[in-house]
Amino acid sequence: GAVVSQHPSWVICKSGTSVKIECRSLDFQATTMFWYRQFPKQSLMLMATSNEGSKATYEQGVEKDKFLINHASLTLSTLTVTSAHPEDSSFYICSARRVGAPNTEAFFGQGTRLTVV
Amino acid sequence: TQLLEQSPQFLSIQEGENLTVYCNSSSVFSSLQWYRQEPGEGPVLLVTVVTGGEVKKLKRLTFQFGDARKDSSLHITAAQPGDTGLYLCAGVPSGGYQKVTFGIGTKLQVIP
Repeated sequence: GAVVSQHPSWVICKSGTSVKIECRSLDFQATTMFWYRQFPKQSLMLMATSNEGSKATYEQGVEKDKFLINHASLTLSTLTVTSAHPEDSSFYICSARRVGAPNTEAFFGQGTRLTVV
Repeated sequence: TQLLEQSPQFLSIQEGENLTVYCNSSSVFSSLQWYRQEPGEGPVLLVTVVTGGEVKKLKRLTFQFGDARKDSSLHITAAQPGDTGLYLCAGVPSGGYQKVTFGIGTKLQVIP
């Protein structure tokens, strides 16, 4: 199967610091990775789409300078939450689409619980 | 934005009971997916339905895509405690996965 791994699974950071979350496709190459945020009792909200070797496409309302996305290789995308604040506390999930896979298919990581104190 | 409404949002049933979860939209989707998500974990894909009227079975789970490709249902027969989780439907428009829309989810609890 296609495995997507996120690291860390959870992180607690102080307000004002930056946190980097990694999303790796372990056994396949991913041209596209998606970053979502999920608040309690709410559905997954797409934050941005990251394509290998190019700039990420951010959804409306998502600050690109606050949520830095880098997709430097076909197996790794990173999301950096800069100058984190308590309201950034959330569950962040990535998904990855395999090279050559149907346009309907993507596989999710296990998520990263970010708590900003 | 294409909206997906799921119902019910919460469901608590006894082991052995049957249940149906609905996913409705006013928009047409190219395909529709169902995921299950455990607390603190990412969603795991259960099924993708593509053709209007399509029915797919996964053990005790039966998924149906509406004829007009605007809605879907998930039916679980003889629910087990292991079925407990958050069930999410996701609509994939003709533009592809970049524009997938997730429902808010149905939180299912199966009591032994």
